[in-house]
Amino acid sequence: GAVVSQHPSRVICKSGTSVKIECRSLDFQATTMFWYRQFPKQSLMLMATSNEGSKATYEQGVEKDKFLINHASLTLSTLTVTSAHPEDSSFYICSASQPGQGLRDTQYFGPGTRLTVL
Amino acid sequence: AQSVTQLDSQVPVFEEAPVELRCNYSSSVSVYLFWYVQYPNQGLQLLLKYLSGSTLVESINGFEAEFNKSQTSFHLRKPSVHISDTAEYFCAVSEGSGGYNKLIFGAGTRLAVHP
Repeated sequence: GAVVSQHPSRVICKSGTSVKIECRSLDFQATTMFWYRQFPKQSLMLMATSNEGSKATYEQGVEKDKFLINHASLTLSTLTVTSAHPEDSSFYICSASQPGQGLRDTQYFGPGTRLTVL
Repeated sequence: AQSVTQLDSQVPVFEEAPVELRCNYSSSVSVYLFWYVQYPNQGLQLLLKYLSGSTLVESINGFEAEFNKSQTSFHLRKPSVHISDTAEYFCAVSEGSGGYNKLIFGAGTRLAVHP
């Protein structure tokens, strides 16, 4: 159980275009989903936290107008990178947590999406 | 705010040798600790976690970690590693912030198992 999927796994786009990444919890309802960014050989940096039906909470330094997050249902969250530029190229990973245990909640991670902006 | 320190960025080891990956966290009243493993070009997989109870926690593939409150450590160990254990390992601590629970990650340790 506790499987999280992401789509697409890889995407290459031209500079200036927008890219949407989907994150789904396949076998559980996730009231909270997280979006991370990982640069090569570095750790994960939390970008934002989203709760179903409410606005996402962005970490300091993350542009909310550039990284649009929608958490429309208990099993789906989307991250849209708007007007992508080469510096947005990165590995984007989502996670979802099963509710109810507070700080003890375990996050289950998706397989990641490799974004390359030309 | 919490912080997590993984002292070793890389750990090379021969197959069937024991290994320890070190993790230290900043002190807090309640601590929940996690180890995740990341294989190349993949997301993170939960390896094991400490929430409460026994300070020694084990994974299904032979890893174990011990929560040591006095030393604020949560080191990961395996008595005999396999080539397939080659991966990046991340230690993380759970933190509450503004009503949400966040994971604070260490920088990661690259475990390289050689034949």
